[in-house]
Amino acid sequence: DAGVIQSPRHEVTEMGQEVTLRCKPISGHDYLFWYRQTMMRGLELLIYFNNNVPIDDSGMPEDRFSAKMPNASFSTLKIQPSEPRDSAVYFCASRPGQGDNQPQHFGDGTRLSIL
Amino acid sequence: SQQGEEDPQALSIQEGENATMNCSYKTSINNLQWYRQNSGRGLVHLILIRSNEREKHSGRLRVTLDTSKKSSSLLITASRAADTASYFCAGANSKLTFGKGITLSVRP
Repeated sequence: DAGVIQSPRHEVTEMGQEVTLRCKPISGHDYLFWYRQTMMRGLELLIYFNNNVPIDDSGMPEDRFSAKMPNASFSTLKIQPSEPRDSAVYFCASRPGQGDNQPQHFGDGTRLSIL
Repeated sequence: SQQGEEDPQALSIQEGENATMNCSYKTSINNLQWYRQNSGRGLVHLILIRSNEREKHSGRLRVTLDTSKKSSSLLITASRAADTASYFCAGANSKLTFGKGITLSVRP
């Protein structure tokens, strides 16, 4: 079975550019999560969706970040304009909807470098 | 704020030895989960223990949970070089909050 698929795996761009990260969750999973991982701050939850609806975006750092989930099989995380401090590994994860006692399944991440 | 705080931050052991990793959390949880992350990869779920459970086993893994102390431990028995990775605990209450992880090195 296909796991969570993220693209691109690596992205290098100059500051000020728009960056779009993509995620395809596991089919049938009702929840989708976006995380950011850095050495300094560890793994931070940015936003999560339930049935395509954003539930908690309190972790989104600022207005330059936005996330959408137009359908059950696709989500995007957009940074506009990007800044060097946005450099990190961004992970997408999904899990089934039957309560909290379900593990999350992670993609392999997008390593983002903003020059 | 971080729900999970792992201890130690780094651990180096010889193959065949047991590895014990500890985690503390701050608020009430529905369950506590442990994940492994290999270099350059995403997190992989290892084991989940519910708040009303005290101990759980899965293969070479043993996890304990003490809700009165808000702490958990993960024991990996008979470690292998392939266990070399970072390990994270995460407290769950509608969402997961992760600690910064423990780097485990298993020397062949």
